[in-house]
Amino acid sequence: KQEVTQIPAALSVPEGENLVLNCSFTDSAIYNLQWFRQDPGKGLTSLLLIQSSQREQTSGRLNASLDKSSGRSTLYIAASQPGDSATYLCAVRGGAGGTSYGKLTFGQGTILTVHP
Amino acid sequence: EAGVAQSPRYKIIEKRQSVAFWCNPISGHATLYWYQQILGQGPKLLIQFQNNGVVDDSQLPKDRFSAERLKGVDSTLKIQPAKLEDSAVYLCASSLEWRGTGEFFGPGTRLTVL
Repeated sequence: KQEVTQIPAALSVPEGENLVLNCSFTDSAIYNLQWFRQDPGKGLTSLLLIQSSQREQTSGRLNASLDKSSGRSTLYIAASQPGDSATYLCAVRGGAGGTSYGKLTFGQGTILTVHP
Repeated sequence: EAGVAQSPRYKIIEKRQSVAFWCNPISGHATLYWYQQILGQGPKLLIQFQNNGVVDDSQLPKDRFSAERLKGVDSTLKIQPAKLEDSAVYLCASSLEWRGTGEFFGPGTRLTVL
């Protein structure tokens, strides 16, 4: 069974800092990995999707990397802003031959607070 | 493009009562998912539909939860009878197909069972 762990559980930083969120998964047989943002009372918004054959994806101030063999992904946020405050969730979709084929398994999230 | 719609947004019921949630996916999306998100945890897949057929319901508590997808479009999730531990946010998501393209999530229904 796929398990996804995110570290840290919570992070509070001053505006302008660069920061890294970590995600690890136990079964490397994945199809893709996604990073989501969740604001209070709202649904999830997909930030970046990395296919298993890719190493990284970038969107604006966000950069996500994937090391499938070691079961790790990082989300890098550059020049953080108060508007980045939210919960960030990592999710992996199980690939062929894995324990969670086709299923999206989420981590528990990192609660990010960026203060002015 | 309209997003995934869900209703109601909030629901408070007493234990042993019944409740139903409704989801309208993005037009043309063949795959529909229901997730349960307990406070402080990531979403957990309850059931996945491909058109109007069930692909995965391995984590759906079938003794009390049921779901259907009418004509491969709208879907309803029902809990009967509800337990205290069912208090959670129920998220509906849809995608063009089950892999590769990513899911789009609705705002969720927050259920409180007293």
